[in-house]
Amino acid sequence: KQEVTQIPAALSVPEGENLVLNCSFTDSAIYNLQWFRQDPGKGLTSLLLIQSSQREQTSGRLNASLDKSSGRSTLYIAASQPGDSATYLCAVRSGYGGATNKLIFGTGTLLAVQP
Amino acid sequence: DGGITQSPKYLFRKEGQNVTLSCEQNLNHDAMYWYRQDPGQGLRLIYYSQIVNDFQKGDIAEGYSVSREKKESFPLTVTSAQKNPTAFYLCASSIGHTGYNEQFFGPGTRLTVL
Repeated sequence: KQEVTQIPAALSVPEGENLVLNCSFTDSAIYNLQWFRQDPGKGLTSLLLIQSSQREQTSGRLNASLDKSSGRSTLYIAASQPGDSATYLCAVRSGYGGATNKLIFGTGTLLAVQP
Repeated sequence: DGGITQSPKYLFRKEGQNVTLSCEQNLNHDAMYWYRQDPGQGLRLIYYSQIVNDFQKGDIAEGYSVSREKKESFPLTVTSAQKNPTAFYLCASSIGHTGYNEQFFGPGTRLTVL
């Protein structure tokens, strides 16, 4: 059974710091991994999608890496800003039970960037 | 302006009532999904549909029902058989149903049982 864990559960940093969010998964048989951002009471915004054959993806100040063999992904945020404050969710697309459509989510990291 | 819309934003239900949550997309996506989000838990899949007139149960389908009569619409009914329906419900879609397709999410509906 695929399980996704995110550490830390909460993180508070001063503005301008570079930071890393961690995601781990138990089974390396994944199609892809997605990082999402969720603001309080809102839906999910897709940040980055890494296919299983890729090692990293970049978008602006965000960089996500994927190491399938070790079951790990990191989301690097450069020069953090107060507007980055949100919950960040990691999800893997796994083929267990024939449901290739299923995203399996971690419980998220709540990020607070202090001005 | 393409995207996924969900309505209503907030919904209140009395015990024993069925309620229907709306999800519409104008992205021309074939696949659509319903997830449930509870505090301290990851999102869990309720139902998904790969194509019109087809849908499959997810991990927590008991007490829920869906239909997919039109490509752009995938309504979710929360029945009285769902014992703990208070949660945040998120609809998503993807262009195809293979494991490589990115999923996009709507703004969500918060359901509260009175």
